[in-house]
Amino acid sequence: ETGVTQTPRHLVMGMTNKKSLKCEQHLGHNAMYWYKQSAKKPLELMFVYSLEERVENNSVPSRFSPECPNSSHLFLHLHTLQPEDSALYLCASSQGFRGRPEAFFGQGTRLTVV
Amino acid sequence: GESVGLHLPTLSVQEGDNSIINCAYSNSASDYFIWYKQESGKGPQFIIDIRSNMDKRQGQRVTVLLNKTVKHLSLQIAATQPGDSAVYFCAEKPPSGSEKLVFGKGTKLTVNP
Repeated sequence: ETGVTQTPRHLVMGMTNKKSLKCEQHLGHNAMYWYKQSAKKPLELMFVYSLEERVENNSVPSRFSPECPNSSHLFLHLHTLQPEDSALYLCASSQGFRGRPEAFFGQGTRLTVV
Repeated sequence: GESVGLHLPTLSVQEGDNSIINCAYSNSASDYFIWYKQESGKGPQFIIDIRSNMDKRQGQRVTVLLNKTVKHLSLQIAATQPGDSAVYFCAEKPPSGSEKLVFGKGTKLTVNP
């Protein structure tokens, strides 16, 4: 295990639903990330939080809303998604600026929008 | 721009052979590179890293080579095993002051028994 836990592992939701993805890291890291992984595409960085402050938002539609209440937890709130949002959503953490830059990933949440 | 690409999307090898997975990067100022392995249904897993002040680093059965002249990164896996079957990604860290990594598309390695 990598020390990064994501729940749920699988999620099917309708376009009018509201759901949340959860990520928890037990590594004492300062930075947390949300990535989207679609078939045959590179990993797409969505959001970066450093010390609980959002430092990057890569032009992600507002139907995705991140929340970082503390350095160990990260959420991704979802509402009125589209079928093209179906993908594997990966959470990662790292030591941030002053430490090793390698990211440790969770197992991901497989999201299907119907 | 900042992008990391892979020369081959798929690679098939025989069990016991050595595998070489290649990666080209475009930002000559990137100072840190990582190889990740992603098995089916799992998140990417760290394999090995290398800093830009090195040209080679060895781990257990894996070696990463960095050629800054041609901006090329490779991962060598010795005595490839069926458990090595996965998608391999390289990632680079641009020295932009951001914590983010830039990932390539990935190469799918299949090990045939």
